[in-house]
Amino acid sequence: AQKITQTQPGMFVQEKEAVTLDCTYDTSDQSYGLFWYKQPSSGEMIFLIYQGSYDEQNATEGRYSLNFQKARKSANLVISASQLGDSAMYFCAMREGLGDYKLSFGAGTTVTVRA
Amino acid sequence: DVKVTQSSRYLVKRTGEKVFLECVQDMDHENMFWYRQDPGLGLRLIYFSYDVKMKEKGDIPEGYSVSREKKERFSLILESASTNQTSMYLCASSLSVKDNQPQHFGDGTRLSIL
Repeated sequence: AQKITQTQPGMFVQEKEAVTLDCTYDTSDQSYGLFWYKQPSSGEMIFLIYQGSYDEQNATEGRYSLNFQKARKSANLVISASQLGDSAMYFCAMREGLGDYKLSFGAGTTVTVRA
Repeated sequence: DVKVTQSSRYLVKRTGEKVFLECVQDMDHENMFWYRQDPGLGLRLIYFSYDVKMKEKGDIPEGYSVSREKKERFSLILESASTNQTSMYLCASSLSVKDNQPQHFGDGTRLSIL
């Protein structure tokens, strides 16, 4: 079964607007971590934000925030005030269990920011 | 600054060749990983290593092997390249100290098998 599901293959957003990228996950572990990465067309994977399963507050990093709904097993990424440089593919990933550093990735969402 | 370096950005090889993809990290990380990325499938883990000379299979190890003789270097080997191994290959590394440590990625190698 798919551990990470990203249902939006592609999205368009107007510059300066906010965009929400969906991510749902499937795990039976109580301890897990969720990561979001950005991949521009150049190919490198850039780490954006992390949410631990026991974190009580939603994670934020600058213009990135994570809407973590544990009961729904969702970890949506919100990008506020979109910029042209935000155009990229975005991946949600999960690490399961303690001391296990492998990540399972979703299929990704392509975001295109329009001027 | 964190640095993961993959030896080639683009590589073209022929069917049946033995192919080596090299990855070096300068962060003294214990963990290293090899992924392949295909459209619509995201990143899939091929092999990973928790320590020198240690390796474990990921989700799609068939047709691949790895070598980690030194802590900073993790090599992916295609024993006999086939056209279905044409893909983007990404190397990553991470610390073992805390669970919230992200993986740091190289720029990727776009491999074409003709």
